[in-house]
Amino acid sequence: DTGVSQNPRHKITKRGQNVTFRCDPISEHNRLYWYRQTLGQGPEFLTYFQNEAQLEKSRLLSDRFSAERPKGSFSTLEIQRTEQGDSAMYLCASSSPRRGLYEQYFGPGTRLTVT
Amino acid sequence: KNEVEQSPQNLTAQEGEFITINCSYSVGISALHWLQQHPGGGIVSLFMLSSGKKKHGRLIATINIQEKHSSLHITASHPRDSAVYICAVGNQFYFGTGTSLTVIP
Repeated sequence: DTGVSQNPRHKITKRGQNVTFRCDPISEHNRLYWYRQTLGQGPEFLTYFQNEAQLEKSRLLSDRFSAERPKGSFSTLEIQRTEQGDSAMYLCASSSPRRGLYEQYFGPGTRLTVT
Repeated sequence: KNEVEQSPQNLTAQEGEFITINCSYSVGISALHWLQQHPGGGIVSLFMLSSGKKKHGRLIATINIQEKHSSLHITASHPRDSAVYICAVGNQFYFGTGTSLTVIP
């Protein structure tokens, strides 16, 4: 078990470009979460999947953002037409129930800078 | 209004001091999580608790479900404890804004 991995670790892009991030959860974890964290703030929930089903989306997730988990394993988060306000750390976490409770394991994050 | 409130926001302590970080929440929960985030972004889960008290090394976490309040205690603090400590509740996580702890040698 290698933990949750995210790629790339850093991404610098120009405003208006599209970017895609990947998250590989801990194998057999059925839940996968995406969060966004801006400097000096706590993380904010974006969306989560149970297997391949996207069960909840935050209203923070505008129509420029889309997330998929097509086979219930890895997930991608795409941001179209990036804006400077999208600059943040994008965190992924995965979990499975243990006695009915979900403990989340976080990846190292992808730091996005939009210039 | 935030669903999760933490205090203090910033904390500086001398090495060896006993530290307490508080978390209050307003939503119904099945479990509360304490997380640690070091500079560079990596987040580590310290505790997941739904009642009572848990201890791991020098760290102790308590929760009072009726009062919707939890505390994280660090005994004999050490400079390597310097980090941001975040309280989170709910399945999809409502996060507190974090407590930035600096322990001075």
